[in-house]
Amino acid sequence: AQRVTQPEKLLSVFKGAPVELKCNYSYSGSPELFWYVQYSRQRLQLLLRHISRESIKGFTADLNKGETSFHLKKPFAQEEDSAMYYCALRGSARQLTFGSGTQLTVLP
Amino acid sequence: DAGVTQSPTHLIKTRGQQVTLRCSPKSGHDTVSWYQQALGQGPQFIFQYYEEEERQRGNFPDRFSGHQFPNYSSELNVNALLLGDSALYLCASRPSGTGPLGYTFGSGTRLTVV
Repeated sequence: AQRVTQPEKLLSVFKGAPVELKCNYSYSGSPELFWYVQYSRQRLQLLLRHISRESIKGFTADLNKGETSFHLKKPFAQEEDSAMYYCALRGSARQLTFGSGTQLTVLP
Repeated sequence: DAGVTQSPTHLIKTRGQQVTLRCSPKSGHDTVSWYQQALGQGPQFIFQYYEEEERQRGNFPDRFSGHQFPNYSSELNVNALLLGDSALYLCASRPSGTGPLGYTFGSGTRLTVV
């Protein structure tokens, strides 16, 4: 079975502060990990995927297989980063399993 | 490209009724998945269609069924609606035979069962 856990439902940081959204997963094989973001009144969209090791909108995420984590980080949060963030895993069955999400609020 | 299009955007049904939700995938995408997102939760996988067949299924009862048409569009049918079926239903599409890519999601259909 595969599971994704996002321990924080709500997270607030001040503009310019670093932000880290936690994601832990449970999967016996080699997973593909993704971060999705949903801005207010917009559809769910892909933010980044671990395999490409890219930085999108200043966000990065490193897959730590030892700790089974895929935390999302940004060194300097911006107000426009306020959104709901979902961590997702795709295993051998090739279906996405989502965490319950973290609502990030960046305060001015 | 309109991306993934879902209809209707909202609907209200009564317990015991049946409902059909529709999805048009993004151009060039031939694989369609359906997700249920309850309030305050992440999306939960229902099933996936490719080549007009259900290829994978999540942990949902047989009341949930689907169909994919030759033009890759898809329908989600739910019979004998329960109050607990109230949720946002998301459709996601992707091209088949691709590497590890994320899906493109629609805006969803908000179903309320009363």
